[in-house]
Amino acid sequence: DVKVTQSSRYLVKRTGEKVFLECVQDMDHENMFWYRQDPGLGLRLIYFSYDVKMKEKGDIPEGYSVSREKKERFSLILESASTNQTSMYLCASTEMGEKLFFGSGTQLSVL
Amino acid sequence: AQSVTQPDIHITVSEGASLELRCNYSYGATPYLFWYVQSPGQGLQLLLKYFSGDTLVQGIKGFEAEFKRSQSSFNLRKPSVHWSDAAEYFCAVGSTGTASKLTFGTGTRLQVTL
Repeated sequence: DVKVTQSSRYLVKRTGEKVFLECVQDMDHENMFWYRQDPGLGLRLIYFSYDVKMKEKGDIPEGYSVSREKKERFSLILESASTNQTSMYLCASTEMGEKLFFGSGTQLSVL
Repeated sequence: AQSVTQPDIHITVSEGASLELRCNYSYGATPYLFWYVQSPGQGLQLLLKYFSGDTLVQGIKGFEAEFKRSQSSFNLRKPSVHWSDAAEYFCAVGSTGTASKLTFGTGTRLQVTL
């Protein structure tokens, strides 16, 4: 069965910390995405990548960066975590035009 | 820029009743349209998608959706709701050039009463 694995289900960090959220997919997909999900706001795209070492900003990239050194792994980095980055973070992967496969999410709390 | 509006934040229906969840999109060309469902504590799962062709598309779990270009709508329907359908439903739109890059609506939470 296809799988998108996010390294942590729950994460608690302090303001100002550098935070890494890891995502791994086992489907050899070209495209990978990071979304954040907030109540009443739905899912908003932070960054996406359509190839190794390639990345593009989504709708809300401020305060985030990403890394894709290998095809199967896409990391989201919060350079200096802030309380307004407390959210559910969802990773997804897909082939072009096909459905997104989502991970189960990481609930990040920044205190 | 593409956008999606789901006007209903929360809907409650009785088990066995019919269901329609509304979705309106804004996009200049022919859109790719999707409905995803997120059950409590679960990841998002694709219910159905529309790319082209027949405007009435069938999905999993007995759901269907109809693409109406004149109304810029892609409403989700089910003739008889089951208690297990209680979840949050998201409509999404993607462009023909980058169909994988989706813009999601804010979601509709469905509650099913027994």
